[in-house]
Order: sequence, then structure tokens, then C-alpha cells
Amino acid sequence: NAGVTQTPKFRILKIGQSMTLQCTQDMNHNYMYWYRQDPGMGLKLIYYSVGAGITDKGEVPNGYNVSRSTTEDFPLRLELAAPSQTSVYFCASSPAYGGSIESEQYFGPGTRLTVT
Amino acid sequence: AQSVAQPEDQVNVAEGNPLTVKCTYSVSGNPYLFWYVQYPNRGLQFLLKYITGDNLVKGSYGFEAEFNKSQTSFHLKKPSALVSDSALYFCAVRDSRGSTLGRLYFGRGTQLTVWP
Repeated sequence: NAGVTQTPKFRILKIGQSMTLQCTQDMNHNYMYWYRQDPGMGLKLIYYSVGAGITDKGEVPNGYNVSRSTTEDFPLRLELAAPSQTSVYFCASSPAYGGSIESEQYFGPGTRLTVT
Repeated sequence: AQSVAQPEDQVNVAEGNPLTVKCTYSVSGNPYLFWYVQYPNRGLQFLLKYITGDNLVKGSYGFEAEFNKSQTSFHLKKPSALVSDSALYFCAVRDSRGSTLGRLYFGRGTQLTVWP
């Protein structure tokens, strides 16, 4: 199993550009998450999904959109990039046992995004 | 509201000495507690979790954590540190009342440096 994969690894965007961060998992996990990590701030949840066709906002959803058309894929869309979106983005997934309360999350390697 | 505090931004220990990385939490219901480790330019990796049962939880790479309900703490420990343990460590908590369907609340992270 490849686990959780993310592309691209690095990206530089100009202000106002758009892009999609890709996330795929091959563990048949129902739950998927997008986080951003800023230095000294831990991880903040952007969006999450409990299954195909179902998504919801996390702590910091403004400026982002998501979709979940399949169990495997959970892309994150930035429509109008702003410098405040400079961060490292992590995708994660977890199985549904215990209502996901007891289950750990599995993280991808991250995408480092710079908006200038 | 759920929250996690990691009071030390950095912990420095000599190889072979015991190490402790501190974590305190605040939740409304019973806590589900997790430790993750992040090596440079990598995603987070699960180390161990406390759901219920014994207060001392054993995890990967020789790490363990002690759950203390009265002190609302979940400190990470290792009897003998290795240079290869140097990394960023995150504590995370979920509320047993199932807020936001499995959402994790992360601390800000503690940088552990083990010197030879």
C-alpha cells in the first residue's frame, strides 16, 4: 500500500492564481481530512469528509473548497491564492471503526505552498 | 472547548537519558489522546493513543505515555533517548462526545533534540 499520497510536493503561486492540491489514499478509508501547518501553530483543520459525496468545514475553511467524488480522492482547491495561504498542507485519512473516534489518522507527506 | 497545550517549544536531552515531552488537555467528555511524530519534510506519523484502560500506554519506537486524569495530562516518555528520536512531536485530543466526527485538536508541537 502506498498509503496517503499528495501532489505536488512544492508549488509557488502568484497572488490571485488558482490550483488544486491532490490527495489519494489506497486504504479504503471513509474519513479524509485536509490540514494546514504553520510554524509554531500546530495543525489546523480546513475541511473533512466522512465519505464520498459528503464534506464539511473545519476550523479554517475560508479561501478553500473540496470535493469527494470517490472514496480514494479528496482534492483541495484554492481559488484566489493569497499570501496568507502560504503554508504546508497535509492530507490525512482514517478508517471508520469506532465512529472514527478511536482511530488514528494516516498522513500524507505534505505540499509546501508559497504564494507571492 | 477542546484544546491541547504543549508547554515546551523545545526539549533537549543527551542520548541515553530519559526524555519527557509534556502535554495537557481540556475536553468536555472523556478524552481520546494521541501522540504523533514529524520528521523533517515528512508527514505526521502515529506513535500511540489512549482510549481507555491502563494509564500507561506503550507505542512505537520504545515510546510510552502516561495518562493522568486528575492532572489532565498525557506526557510522552522514553527511558533512553536516541539521536534518531530528534523530531517534532504533537499531542492531539478528541472529545468522546464525538464532536465534529473524529476531529483532532493538535497542540503546537514540541521540538525534541537528542544530542550525542
